[in-house]
Amino acid sequence: AIQLTQSPASLSASVGDRVSITCRASQDISSALAWYQQIPGKAPKLLIYDASTLEPGVSSRFSGSESGTDFTLTVSSLQPEDFATYYCQHFNHYPTTFGQGTRLEIK
Amino acid sequence: EVQLVESGGVVVQAGGSLRLSCAASGFSFGDYAMHWVRQAPGKGLEWVSVINWDATETYYADSVKGRFIISRDNNKYSLYLQMNSLRNADTALYYCAKDTGSGTYLFDSWGQGTLVTVSS
Repeated sequence: AIQLTQSPASLSASVGDRVSITCRASQDISSALAWYQQIPGKAPKLLIYDASTLEPGVSSRFSGSESGTDFTLTVSSLQPEDFATYYCQHFNHYPTTFGQGTRLEIK
Repeated sequence: EVQLVESGGVVVQAGGSLRLSCAASGFSFGDYAMHWVRQAPGKGLEWVSVINWDATETYYADSVKGRFIISRDNNKYSLYLQMNSLRNADTALYYCAKDTGSGTYLFDSWGQGTLVTVSS
């Protein structure tokens, strides 16, 4: 199965900051990468798919990019509601797997 | 509005069985593949199983293969997960998740989850 390695595991930032989270795939996944946000006690929410396509209704503060097997989620100008755990997921073939998660905390 | 409501999670002894249900509404249920995804307490997300729109194809994570069975009833807008030979490692919050299509493995709607606790 394809392994996804997220970094950092946790991150402290302040409201208004710009932050980036990286997800590295163990092999080529042809842009079939998604990002989810999970607020504590809530279900995950799809933010971005196909590495850089924003899910309808998701704030444009969120953006995604890719370079080979490295994928980046960037949040510009953090808002209080953005503090959560973020997961990447590949979906280009069975079995789908998730990264281990990045916890974004308020500094 | 898409709604997915899971039920059936309880405390069960290791080796026991359990059936989870997911009631769907707000979309044409029979047009989409459906998944189960789980999350152990304090841990990350793990995909468990998928069923295609007409239940002719099912796939499982290696960790549950041979023990869990996914099924659906399109007339009742319901998804199920029969869990057998339960292990401590199966303790998790089980989410029902809607595929964006016929098996993209991309999840655009999730339920609130139902907690399964396996005790020894």
